[in-house]
Amino acid sequence: DGGITQSPKYLFRKEGQNVTLSCEQNLNHDAMYWYRQDPGQGLRLIYYSQIVNDFQKGDIAEGYSVSREKKESFPLTVTSAQKNPTAFYLCASTPPGTQETQYFGPGTRLLVL
Amino acid sequence: AQSVTQLDSQVPVFEEAPVELRCNYSSSVSVYLFWYVQYPNQGLQLLLKYLSGSTLVESINGFEAEFNKSQTSFHLRKPSVHISDTAEYFCAVSRRGYQKVTFGTGTKLQVIP
Repeated sequence: DGGITQSPKYLFRKEGQNVTLSCEQNLNHDAMYWYRQDPGQGLRLIYYSQIVNDFQKGDIAEGYSVSREKKESFPLTVTSAQKNPTAFYLCASTPPGTQETQYFGPGTRLLVL
Repeated sequence: AQSVTQLDSQVPVFEEAPVELRCNYSSSVSVYLFWYVQYPNQGLQLLLKYLSGSTLVESINGFEAEFNKSQTSFHLRKPSVHISDTAEYFCAVSRRGYQKVTFGTGTKLQVIP
């Protein structure tokens, strides 16, 4: 089955620690996105990538980093500079040549110990 | 810049009653409009979308939304809700020709038996 997978489902971060959230898709989509979801605030864009080896900052990129070495993979690193990382993180992708429907993964919930 | 406003954070409604979830957008250019649904601890799924053509769009499970350019609205309606419709609903907008999508803050629909 084609789709987007995110791992882990739950992730715990200690103070001063960097953690990496995985996002993989086998839909052959070019564009991929990372969103952060907090209660009552909707989804806020962290980073997005339209092609391999290229990515752009979204609205709340500070304290986060990404890479796009393969079309299928778009990992997000939450660095120690992100002081309030507790949130639900969603990865999404869009079919090539269009900006229509976004396909979402199941999400990763990050908690701080 | 584009923005989306969902004024109602929660909407309780009795089963089999009609419901309207409100969405207003702001953009100086032509847009695409979307409604996504999110069940607890899951990613978002596309419910319906307006790209062009008929201003009334429908989903397979009985929801419909009407694009009203003069009122810059894209309200979501269902004539008779079911318990299984309990979820959070997000309105979203994107500018034609751009990859970024802006999401509203969400409306939680609570269907009461």
